[in-house]
Amino acid sequence: GESVGLHLPTLSVQEGDNSIINCAYSNSASDYFIWYKQESGKGPQFIIDIRSNMDKRQGQRVTVLLNKTVKHLSLQIAATQPGDSAVYFCAEVFSGGYNKLIFGAGTRLAVHP
Amino acid sequence: NAGVTQTPKFQVLKTGQSMTLQCAQDMNHNSMYWYRQDPGMGLRLIYYSASEGTTDKGEVPNGYNVSRLNKREFSLRLESAAPSQTSVYFCASRGRRDQETQYFGPGTRLLVL
Repeated sequence: GESVGLHLPTLSVQEGDNSIINCAYSNSASDYFIWYKQESGKGPQFIIDIRSNMDKRQGQRVTVLLNKTVKHLSLQIAATQPGDSAVYFCAEVFSGGYNKLIFGAGTRLAVHP
Repeated sequence: NAGVTQTPKFQVLKTGQSMTLQCAQDMNHNSMYWYRQDPGMGLRLIYYSASEGTTDKGEVPNGYNVSRLNKREFSLRLESAAPSQTSVYFCASRGRRDQETQYFGPGTRLLVL
């Protein structure tokens, strides 16, 4: 069946270090992947996306890597800051139809001073 | 632009009561979605509306109804609330067919006693 999951439920890092959040997916038919950040009491916020025909995409302080061979997605955050503390979700997108999103359960990132 | 807004922010219901959750977006998006988020789980799709005048069931539609009132507004109704519907509800919207990202509102926390 379709599923998007995360290897680590909680990740603790020191301020200034780089963070890597991992995600495994099971369905190779997706067109697109999105990383969302969710702070406590708020809705998911778009961070970065990547199409299935790419293997890397960079944003401001964030990089997403896609390895289709092993069905693995990662989000790298450079110089992690306290404001990065949140739950991070990867979502697999099936384009066409209604743009179906399959979310993972999330990884909590805790940034310590 | 306010983006996606939801009301109320928080609601307590007794079993069997009914209520409507409101969602509006000011981004002129065609598609709108309702999700629920439960502890330790990712978001699950309840209903979606690909365009004004159309609605379809998602992954977990039982116990819910929706109305796409106009292009801006998409409401979710619980006719007879049950404790299993205690959750955080998120509304999302998406632009044109070639725009994959869904943008989320701040959520409504619902407690059914």
